[in-house]
Amino acid sequence: KQEVTQIPAALSVPEGENLVLNCSFTDSAIYNLQWFRQDPGKGLTSLLLIQSSQREQTSGRLNASLDKSSGRSTLYIAASQPGDSATYLCAVSYVEYGNKLVFGAGTILRVKS
Amino acid sequence: DGGITQSPKYLFRKEGQNVTLSCEQNLNHDAMYWYRQDPGQGLRLIYYSQIVNDFQKGDIAEGYSVSREKKESFPLTVTSAQKNPTAFYLCATSRGFSGNTIYFGEGSWLTVV
Repeated sequence: KQEVTQIPAALSVPEGENLVLNCSFTDSAIYNLQWFRQDPGKGLTSLLLIQSSQREQTSGRLNASLDKSSGRSTLYIAASQPGDSATYLCAVSYVEYGNKLVFGAGTILRVKS
Repeated sequence: DGGITQSPKYLFRKEGQNVTLSCEQNLNHDAMYWYRQDPGQGLRLIYYSQIVNDFQKGDIAEGYSVSREKKESFPLTVTSAQKNPTAFYLCATSRGFSGNTIYFGEGSWLTVV
């Protein structure tokens, strides 16, 4: 069964700290990997999309890396702010799964001011 | 104002009732999806449609039905056969079905009373 695992489940950091969220997947045969942000009771907002052939993507203070051989992706958030507080979800598009997304359970991030 | 509109935001269902959740998009995207989210869990795919007049079952299609008569619309019916329907339902779209960023609506909360 294709799965996506996110560690840690929850994280609390002081404002200004750099932090890393982790995502692992079970099969290196993927089309792409996406990171999303979800605010409480809201829909998901796409942050970064990394295609299978890419190693990383950057957007502002966010940097996502992809290592297919180890089945891992990291989302790096620089200089965290209270407004970054949200749940961050990782989703993988597995080739064997017909390009449909498989989601992790998410990491709940709280940035304290 | 472009985007994905889900309605209603909150819906209550009595035992034995069918209810329909609306999803409308004006992004001119071909692919549309319905996901279910339960507390502390990742999203699970209910149904998806790659093109008008075509749709496929996802991982948890039992007790649900959909239609795709127009490109802009992909309504989800939660039937009485769905024994545990209380959840947060998310509609999403993408330009195509392969390797594209996926965009989400704001979600609909369904509660059984």
